[in-house]
Amino acid sequence: NAGVTQTPKFQVLKTGQSMTLQCAQDMNHEYMSWYRQDPGMGLRLIHYSVGAGITDQGEVPNGYNVSRSTTEDFPLRLLSAAPSQTSVYFCASSLADNTDTQYFGPGTRLTVL
Amino acid sequence: TQLLEQSPQFLSIQEGENLTVYCNSSSVFSSLQWYRQEPGEGPVLLVTVVTGGEVKKLKRLTFQFGDARKDSSLHITAAQPGDTGLYLCAGAQSGGSNYKLTFGKGTLLTVNP
Repeated sequence: NAGVTQTPKFQVLKTGQSMTLQCAQDMNHEYMSWYRQDPGMGLRLIHYSVGAGITDQGEVPNGYNVSRSTTEDFPLRLLSAAPSQTSVYFCASSLADNTDTQYFGPGTRLTVL
Repeated sequence: TQLLEQSPQFLSIQEGENLTVYCNSSSVFSSLQWYRQEPGEGPVLLVTVVTGGEVKKLKRLTFQFGDARKDSSLHITAAQPGDTGLYLCAGAQSGGSNYKLTFGKGTLLTVNP
């Protein structure tokens, strides 16, 4: 198993540009989530999904959209990038809910100029 | 928002020393997880504690969950350079939705040879 994969590893955007961060898992996990990690702020939940077709907002959802059309994929979309979205983004998956082990991807380092 | 306070934020010690990292909250959690994150990678689960007063050992690492399930500690005996990393605690929200984890801001540990 590849586990949780994320692409791209690094990305530089200009303010106002849009892009999609890809996340996929091959462990047949129902629960997937997106976090951002900023210095001194820890990991903050952006959006999460408890199964295909079901998504919900986390702590910092503004400026981000998600969808979950399949169990395997959970892309994160930035519609109009802002410098405040400069961060490291992590996707995670777990078998059932948040009491289970969270498996994290390697992260995407995003810089918005 | 249920907050998890981790202390200390930074810790630099010499190889062979012992250390304790704390994770505290005013809220009750149904379970608490500890992760370690190395530079450029996603967090990796070390342990999950679910019962008040529970103690778990992982080689030189000892994890304790407070009796009231509001706090936890991580004790490392005879630290080694390989223990260097960011240690994160994460609490599972009790009651209501089970689908969110709250992360502390982390303790950055450096073990010098």
